[in-house]
Amino acid sequence: GQQVMQIPQYQHVQEGEDFTTYCNSSTTLSNIQWYKQRPGGHPVFLIQLVKSGEVKKQKRLTFQFGEAKKNSSLHITATQTTDVGTYFCAVIQGAQKLVFGQGTRLTINP
Amino acid sequence: DAGVTQSPTHLIKTRGQQVTLRCSPKSGHDTVSWYQQALGQGPQFIFQYYEEEERQRGNFPDRFSGHQFPNYSSELNVNALLLGDSALYLCASSLWGGGLSTEAFFGQGTRLTVV
Repeated sequence: GQQVMQIPQYQHVQEGEDFTTYCNSSTTLSNIQWYKQRPGGHPVFLIQLVKSGEVKKQKRLTFQFGEAKKNSSLHITATQTTDVGTYFCAVIQGAQKLVFGQGTRLTINP
Repeated sequence: DAGVTQSPTHLIKTRGQQVTLRCSPKSGHDTVSWYQQALGQGPQFIFQYYEEEERQRGNFPDRFSGHQFPNYSSELNVNALLLGDSALYLCASSLWGGGLSTEAFFGQGTRLTVV
């Protein structure tokens, strides 16, 4: 089945700096979803991308799906302390089975 | 509108024991999937239930079993617990017919510690 590799594993930034996490696959992906998990919490759905080259924005968050549909990125502009958490990409396989990347843990120095 | 609810929130068990975790899906959802999340890792798919049948299964041994009830709620059972079964167990609910546009809603999880 499809697997996704996520980098970096950890990222520490100063509040106000930008943050980017990348999700890569060796095979073409039919879709990609992004989730955020706050410390001690559960994954919360952020967005789904399905089209080649798709770019979606949610306030300070920008999500991209590569032209070849083999990679995706999540970029946060001007991080805030509320952005702390682990960001996961995930692919739907079969009937709604989610295959998650390893996640990028974001910590922020206020 | 209640979201996904799981019980218990925390559990401590001894090696060799059996455990049952419970999940009630979001109102209107008919599909329940279970995930195991070890510390510092991404969630790993265990299995999925729809219409009271297991529809998909991940790479987990037969010690992990489940059930779905007519009201769509679900149970995850783990027999002969091992120390390595210590993890956060997440339940996710969705709509079976949602296809690629389906968003999964996760419960708060059950933190299982095996000692």
